[in-house]
Amino acid sequence: DTGVSQDPRHKITKRGQNVTFRCDPISEHNRLYWYRQTLGQGPEFLTYFQNEAQLEKSRLLSDRFSAERPKGSFSTLEIQRTEQGDSAMYLCASSPDGTNEKLFFGSGTQLSVL
Amino acid sequence: QKEVEQNSGPLSVPEGAIASLNCTYSDRVSQSFFWYRQYSGKSPELIMSIYSNGDKEDGRFTAQLNKASQYVSLLIRDSQPSDSATYLCAAEQGVDSSYKLIFGSGTRLLVRP
Repeated sequence: DTGVSQDPRHKITKRGQNVTFRCDPISEHNRLYWYRQTLGQGPEFLTYFQNEAQLEKSRLLSDRFSAERPKGSFSTLEIQRTEQGDSAMYLCASSPDGTNEKLFFGSGTQLSVL
Repeated sequence: QKEVEQNSGPLSVPEGAIASLNCTYSDRVSQSFFWYRQYSGKSPELIMSIYSNGDKEDGRFTAQLNKASQYVSLLIRDSQPSDSATYLCAAEQGVDSSYKLIFGSGTRLLVRP
């Protein structure tokens, strides 16, 4: 499978716990994006990387959220001290050069905070 | 006003009809637009992009952009039940080469057999 891969597909956690999601972009895609989507809404931009550099973060990304992309390959998104409002689908997307015509989304990680 | 707005629907059309999906946008986004289709529980898939005023056709899909009125639309001809999904309108926002996508909330389309 050469698409964008996300792990896990589903995560159920208790409020206050930390969770970490992983995204493996398409090989040689240097742009990697994280979006969050809640029920009935479109995806909301969280952050993006150009290779290993995190170039922009949304105001939605509170101090409890951190993202990394070591070595410019896979990326992780960590949420500390989860809250019920964090329940959402977390989508990762990648593109070879920042061109949105070539942006591909992964299947997402569905987070449920109880 | 939200940057990209869509009617949430559902829009219900009979099989074979033309489905018309609309989207309006604010001055806070750039003039490049994308239509995505999202099946329930799946990730968004790009259908079409449009950058210039006027129509752009691809198979059964036609995207229309009217910059003066700040709206974008997607027409689906000969609608099929398999077209039933949520359609997301998105606009680029950013500077230089850092254009992220701003999405509308999506319109749910139901095509009745």
